[in-house]
Amino acid sequence: DAKTTQPPSMDCAEGRAANLPCNHSTISGNEYVYWYRQIHSQGPQYIIHGLKNNETNEMASLIITEDRKSSTLILPHATLRDTAVYYCIVRVEFGGGTSYGKLTFGQGTILTVHP
Amino acid sequence: EAQVTQNPRYLITVTGKKLTVTCSQNMNHEYMSWYRQDPGLGLRQIYYSMNVEVTDKGDVPEGYKVSRKEKRNFPLILESPSPNQTSLYFCASSLSFRGTTNTGELFFGEGSRLTVL
Repeated sequence: DAKTTQPPSMDCAEGRAANLPCNHSTISGNEYVYWYRQIHSQGPQYIIHGLKNNETNEMASLIITEDRKSSTLILPHATLRDTAVYYCIVRVEFGGGTSYGKLTFGQGTILTVHP
Repeated sequence: EAQVTQNPRYLITVTGKKLTVTCSQNMNHEYMSWYRQDPGLGLRQIYYSMNVEVTDKGDVPEGYKVSRKEKRNFPLILESPSPNQTSLYFCASSLSFRGTTNTGELFFGEGSRLTVL
């Protein structure tokens, strides 16, 4: 069973904020939310992660709801180069359970940024 | 430069001819894993390794073998490839993820495109 669900595709205008949702309603207390993106057929690239607090780095912001059942990745000023597949996954900390090594990426969200 | 290196990047082979896709990382990462990517199915985990001599099945292990004799290497072995193993394969590695000491970020290789005729 998928641990996360994402919309299959989204569009965004260049220069506007892209808000990508992810549902992880069965997330455990020691599971972190991660976001990766994949441009064309390159290897996925890490974007950001968080446990329960909102996080921001030079690439994006991550908003996690208080109940932790969903999150939103925000690209504040999307560019054409942000067109990619975005994956939301959950990962438990090492020693946090037998599911540590097993990661499920799913199909992700295809974000298309248009001029 | 920190990287995960896969070889070969492209391979066309025939059914039944054993092949190995190598994966090597230079970051002293404990965790390594293999994924395959097929249209419409996203990334699916084949096998993973928590450390040397410790491997376990992912979601789609059938038809594959792995070994982890050294920390830096995690080869994927197809003993008798079949056409349904035609796919794009990715290797990834990370430190053992501990939220207070590291990000647990996965570093991916550039991918190996395998075609089995």
